[in-house]
Amino acid sequence: NAGVMQNPRHLVRRRGQEARLRCSPMKGHSHVYWYRQLPEEGLKFMVYLQKENIIDESGMPKERFSAEFPKEGPSILRIQQVVRGDSAAYFCASSPPGQGNIQYFGAGTRLSVL
Amino acid sequence: EDKVVQSPLSLVVHEGDTVTLNCSYEVTNFRSLLWYKQEKKAPTFLFMLTSSGIEKKSGRLSSILDKKELFSILNITATQTGDSAIYLCAVDGGGSYQLTFGKGTKLSVIP
Repeated sequence: NAGVMQNPRHLVRRRGQEARLRCSPMKGHSHVYWYRQLPEEGLKFMVYLQKENIIDESGMPKERFSAEFPKEGPSILRIQQVVRGDSAAYFCASSPPGQGNIQYFGAGTRLSVL
Repeated sequence: EDKVVQSPLSLVVHEGDTVTLNCSYEVTNFRSLLWYKQEKKAPTFLFMLTSSGIEKKSGRLSSILDKKELFSILNITATQTGDSAIYLCAVDGGGSYQLTFGKGTKLSVIP
């Protein structure tokens, strides 16, 4: 049973470009969470999704950031018009139905904005 | 706003030592506290503690939760170099299962 898969592992973008981060949850998991980790900071919650639904996006910046978890395929975190302050490690986690508080994490995508 | 504070921020010990990592929290509606180990990859789940499970043990690692005083400790006995990692404490404060993380304790075990 493969773990949570994130790709790419490293992503370099220039200011103003778009970044797309992908997350495939563990098999049988229908809940996906995205977290951001800035240098010297703890993981910060961004968004919680179930298939085709955004459940809680209270941690998402109001502009330029969006997330989806379609019926088929991975969850996508999309950052439009990236700025240097978006440089961080973005982690995805998943959990099975009914066990939301045990979240299993992927290895993260490290985004660098030049 | 929910808050999790871990101490110390970093720790260097020799192999064979016992270490205690601390985590205090303030949350609105406590549901559970989780410990993770983060090496240069995915944070790995260690323990979950709730009101009905305030003490957990797995091999050389153990953890307790004090709901009255709002803290948890993670103990590692007979440390090994493979225990070197950042240990993360997170709290589920109710609602939508979003976890609030501390900044972590960086543990370095030297031979």
